Amino acid sequence: GAVVSQHPSWVICKSGTSVKIECRSLDFQATTMFWYRQFPKQSLMLMATSNEGSKATYEQGVEKDKFLINHASLTLSTLTVTSAHPEDSSFYICSALGSNQPQHFGDGTRLSIL
Amino acid sequence: QKEVEQDPGPLSVPEGAIVSLNCTYSNSAFQYFMWYRQYSRKGPELLMYTYSSGNKEDGRFTAQVDKSSKYISLFIRDSQPSDSATYLCAMNTGFQKLVFGTGTRLLVSP
Repeated sequence: GAVVSQHPSWVICKSGTSVKIECRSLDFQATTMFWYRQFPKQSLMLMATSNEGSKATYEQGVEKDKFLINHASLTLSTLTVTSAHPEDSSFYICSALGSNQPQHFGDGTRLSIL
Repeated sequence: QKEVEQDPGPLSVPEGAIVSLNCTYSNSAFQYFMWYRQYSRKGPELLMYTYSSGNKEDGRFTAQVDKSSKYISLFIRDSQPSDSATYLCAMNTGFQKLVFGTGTRLLVSP
């Protein structure tokens, strides 16, 4: 089945640091990748849609300059949380969409900002 | 009113029981319906993917879609403790962006 790899799975860093999260589709080409944020015991909240070779589309209320998304190839998208603060601590999940396939999700990244 | 409604549970059942999980939706344009299973601190795992009204079976799982009632279900037969997880329904119009239910937490006791 379709596999999406997300790295790192857990990161702890100091306030003010920038953190990069990678999302890779391992066995298919993903023209579109999505980035979600999930708070404890809540459903997934879509942050942005990333299309290969073009600028990401952000959902209302999501700061573009805070959450930088790059989708440089058909198998890799990155999310960079810039100047992270404790309120950015959360579970971030990516998903990838191939042709004629539903979205497949990575295993998520737990981000803790001290 | 949310576009997709799902009872958050928790739903507690004994091992071997038949589990019924449900979602209702309001947008008649939704065409694709999915069920994902999410274990704690993991990403959602696709279980079932359906397009049309009717039933789709895969092992112990059966997905049911009733577009006329805007109602979808996931049935789990012979439930196991390893089925304990949060089950998310999701749907879209075909234009990629998924709309999720809140998820139902299922607990299967041995």
